[in-house]
Formats: sequence, C-alpha cells, structure tokens
Amino acid sequence: GEDVEQSLFLSVREGDSSVINCTYTDSSSTYLYWYKQEPGAGLQLLTYIFSNMDMKQDQRLTVLLNKKDKHLSLRIADTQTGDSAIYFCAGGYSSASKIIFGSGTRLSIRP
Amino acid sequence: DAGVTQSPTHLIKTRGQQVTLRCSPKSGHDTVSWYQQALGQGPQFIFQYYEEEERQRGNFPDRFSGHQFPNYSSELNVNALLLGDSALYLCASTPPTVDGQPNYGYTFGSGTRLTVV
Repeated sequence: GEDVEQSLFLSVREGDSSVINCTYTDSSSTYLYWYKQEPGAGLQLLTYIFSNMDMKQDQRLTVLLNKKDKHLSLRIADTQTGDSAIYFCAGGYSSASKIIFGSGTRLSIRP
Repeated sequence: DAGVTQSPTHLIKTRGQQVTLRCSPKSGHDTVSWYQQALGQGPQFIFQYYEEEERQRGNFPDRFSGHQFPNYSSELNVNALLLGDSALYLCASTPPTVDGQPNYGYTFGSGTRLTVV
C-alpha cells in the first residue's frame, strides 16, 4: 500500500539546523519531494530527489534518502523565522503522476 | 507570469447542495490535478485531467467529478455535499514532458476553502 509518515511537530532555535524525517512504504516511488505550506497558502515545491540518489543539496537544504530503510529527511541549515511552515514529504511514480503526501510536520522557530 | 489560479477562494455551502470549483493552470501547462486537504492532513489525490479526459483517479466517490476544457482549465464538481467534504481543495498543474525530459512535481494554486454547514 501507499503510505507516507511524518512526525507532527518540530521546534528549533533560530540559527540551528532543522531535520524533518519521513518514512514511506511504497518502494516504487521514483520521485520523492519536499513541499512547504505557509498559512493560507498552497504548496510550494522545495526540492526533490530521484529514488536512485542518496543525497541532494540545494543551498540551505539537504535531502538524504535511505532506500533500504525507506527513510527520507530534509535538513534546513541556519533555520530562520521565515522557515516556519508545514513541511510535507511526498512520493510519486512518475513526474506527472499522482503524489502521495504525508500528514505534514509543523516547524516552529523559537528565538 | 500567473501561476495556478483557483476560484473562488472561499465558499460556504449547505449539506446536500452541489458546488463547482475552478482552476486555470500555469501558462504552458497542460495537465491538471485536484487534491483535497482536510484540516491537519496532507493533500489527498482526487483525480487528474489530461487532453480533456480523466487520466487517473484517487479513492473518491462518484459525487466528485471533473472536467477539462480545450484551454486546459478545469472544474471540480461535488454533488450532494456532506459535512465531511469541508476542506481546502487544491489544484495543481504540470507542463508537458519535453523530449523525454521529466518535469519536477506540480505547481499548486492557493486553493479553495470549502465549508459545508
């Protein structure tokens, strides 16, 4: 079956790194995504990784993929107040196919 | 360049009524997908339209139907509304694949907040 699980909340201090974790059950997902949703807004694609990659870095964002454990993580370096949002892990079979989303992790930043 | 545009932004309907939500995809995009996001949940896939036909469908009842027009815009219709249909409805569009190169995820609109009372 298709399922994506995430922890619900994460609180970090401004300037620290945030690590958001995700596990997925469907090993046939070829694309794995991280989306950001701010209050009252739609979903913004932050980054993605192909299932044949182990790591991808994009400025302050680092995605790690452990295919054996079906574990995906998103690290945000130097977390800022503007990073406060809900982060969704998601997977899809092909680039335009349906995307299966997790329930989201709410990231809050404390001073 | 406008992104994905959805209308209306908010809507209140009574149980049993019917509703139509509208989506204009990003310029150059030809595929439209609809998602339902209940409060505190991740988006759930409803269906996807390509070349004016439903290409994929999620686990939603037949009360949910859609349409895609020749200009790629799309409508989501929900009949016999239930209280549980209250949610944020998100539209997403994707561009055509070019020469076998993949596109990377969707472009989402800001959604329509539907409240059923």
